[in-house]
Amino acid sequence: SQKIEQNSEALNIQEGKTATLTCNYTNYSPAYLQWYRQDPGRGPVFLLLIRENEKEKRKERLKVTFDTTLKQSLFHITASQPADSATYLCALGKNNDMRFGAGTRLTVKP
Amino acid sequence: DAMVIQNPRYQVTQFGKPVTLSCSQTLNHNVMYWYQQKSSQAPKLLFHYYDKDFNNEADTPDNFQSRRPNTSFCFLDIRSPGLGDAAMYLCATSRAPPRGGYNEQFFGPGTRLTVL
Repeated sequence: SQKIEQNSEALNIQEGKTATLTCNYTNYSPAYLQWYRQDPGRGPVFLLLIRENEKEKRKERLKVTFDTTLKQSLFHITASQPADSATYLCALGKNNDMRFGAGTRLTVKP
Repeated sequence: DAMVIQNPRYQVTQFGKPVTLSCSQTLNHNVMYWYQQKSSQAPKLLFHYYDKDFNNEADTPDNFQSRRPNTSFCFLDIRSPGLGDAAMYLCATSRAPPRGGYNEQFFGPGTRLTVL
């Protein structure tokens, strides 16, 4: 069955460093992969989308890579700030069928 | 601002007592979703509507039902809540993707359900 794994439950880094979060998947060939941010007690907020035929996408301090051979996406936040502290969810899908990972909780310490 | 609204934000019900959660949207999106999310877990899709077409996930219990009377509103009915149904319930919307396309989802703030 389809499985989505995000590298760890929690990641702690120092302000100014680059945070790298991993999303691995098995038994699936998604047409796209999305990353969302979720703050405690709130709904997820869309950040970035990358399609299966794209290798990399950037938006401000965010960068996403998508390797369909390794079945992996990496999500980078450069020059991290305490305000980036949140849970980050990856989601894979085809058309309207999209499945989420459990997320990685990122804490950026000042 | 266009948005997805969920009411109430917090709902307390008793074991076995039916409860209805509501979602409304001003985005005019034709797809609406209901997710269940438990602490530190992935949002789990329960069902979605593509316009008026209802799509139930295979593992969604019969205890969960949904209604979409019009484009703007969608309801989640839990007929006989059990302790295991305590969770955050998230409503989301999206535009229908073009063929082979994608769907960014817009989420509401969620309703946290407590079952006593």
